[in-house]
Amino acid sequence: KQEVTQIPAALSVPEGENLVLNCSFTDSAIYNLQWFRQDPGKGLTSLLLIQSSQREQTSGRLNASLDKSSGRSTLYIAASQPGDSATYLCAVRRTGNQFYFGTGTSLTVIP
Amino acid sequence: DGGITQSPKYLFRKEGQNVTLSCEQNLNHDAMYWYRQDPGQGLRLIYYSQIVNDFQKGDIAEGYSVSREKKESFPLTVTSAQKNPTAFYLCASSITGGNTEAFFGQGTRLTVV
Repeated sequence: KQEVTQIPAALSVPEGENLVLNCSFTDSAIYNLQWFRQDPGKGLTSLLLIQSSQREQTSGRLNASLDKSSGRSTLYIAASQPGDSATYLCAVRRTGNQFYFGTGTSLTVIP
Repeated sequence: DGGITQSPKYLFRKEGQNVTLSCEQNLNHDAMYWYRQDPGQGLRLIYYSQIVNDFQKGDIAEGYSVSREKKESFPLTVTSAQKNPTAFYLCASSITGGNTEAFFGQGTRLTVV
């Protein structure tokens, strides 16, 4: 069974700092990997989708990379802002149309 | 606007009652999913459906039931057999096939009183 791990579980940084969130998965036979943002009491908002054939995707201040062979993905957030404070989850999709989620990293950006 | 609508946002259940959570999507997606989220834990799959009139159990299906009579709708019933139903429930949908992303509703917070 696919297992997805996110480290660290929580992260606190001062505003303006660049930061990296990590996601690792045990089975490299994936279709894609998706990064989400979740605000307290809300649903998940998709940030970036990386196909298995891709190495990275960028959207504004966000950059996600994928190393399928080593089972790792990183989400890089540049010039962090207080509005970036949220929980970030990664999910991998594999056969059977199922998604497997990590437990998330809770990010706090201090003004 | 296309998206997934979950209702209600908050739901209170007395012990021994069945309750039904609604999930509707207008994205024309074939696949729909129900997840449960508890504090400090990742999302756990309850049920999923890849096509109308078909659905499969996920990792924690006991005490839950679903139906998929229409492509747009995938209601989840939390039965009295579910011993610890207080949680945040999330519905998602996607196109079937490998290289597609999941879209989520805003969730329903269920509390047993």
